[in-house]
Amino acid sequence: AQKVTQAQTEISVVEKEDVTLDCVYETRDTTYYLFWYKQPPSGELVFLIRRNSFDEQNEISGRYSWNFQKSTSSFNFTITASQVVDSAVYFCALRAGGGADGLTFGKGTHLIIQP
Amino acid sequence: DVKVTQSSRYLVKRTGEKVFLECVQDMDHENMFWYRQDPGLGLRLIYFSYDVKMKEKGDIPEGYSVSREKKERFSLILESASTNQTSMYLCASSSGTRTDTQYFGPGTRLTVL
Repeated sequence: AQKVTQAQTEISVVEKEDVTLDCVYETRDTTYYLFWYKQPPSGELVFLIRRNSFDEQNEISGRYSWNFQKSTSSFNFTITASQVVDSAVYFCALRAGGGADGLTFGKGTHLIIQP
Repeated sequence: DVKVTQSSRYLVKRTGEKVFLECVQDMDHENMFWYRQDPGLGLRLIYFSYDVKMKEKGDIPEGYSVSREKKERFSLILESASTNQTSMYLCASSSGTRTDTQYFGPGTRLTVL
């Protein structure tokens, strides 16, 4: 069985602060894929990043960065110099197996950026 | 850009009604998925399909069925809607390769009275 835990239900920071969203996963498969999605108030899930289990390189995309550590089964997401537009619910998800398998989602972290 | 559309953003139905939620993707994707999202529970997989006329149960299929007669269209059916099926329903599609990503539609917020 697979499991994704996002222990932070809600985080509130002031604009321009850095913030890290935690994600811990469990799987017995050696090949798996990890994802982050953003869900703004409009409701649509927006894909942010995909990582496979063989690639532990950290990734940076503008103000967003991701830290994947297999040793601690974590895939954390950091937003640098947060902005009000970053306010959303963020989901971490896991897929083990082939492309037809569904995703196992964490329960999400509601991020509030205050002006 | 991948485009996944859902027939309604908001839907209100009565208990016992048969409800159809439609999802269409325009990227010739092999796989399609239906999830429901509830506060505090995240997203949970209801059904998915990896080919026309093929379907697989997800984690919470009870009370639902699906239909995929054409590659681009995947329907979720509530045979007899109940109040505990009030939820946000999200459709997704993916290309079918091992490394693929699921792309989501805007969601349908269903209320069953």
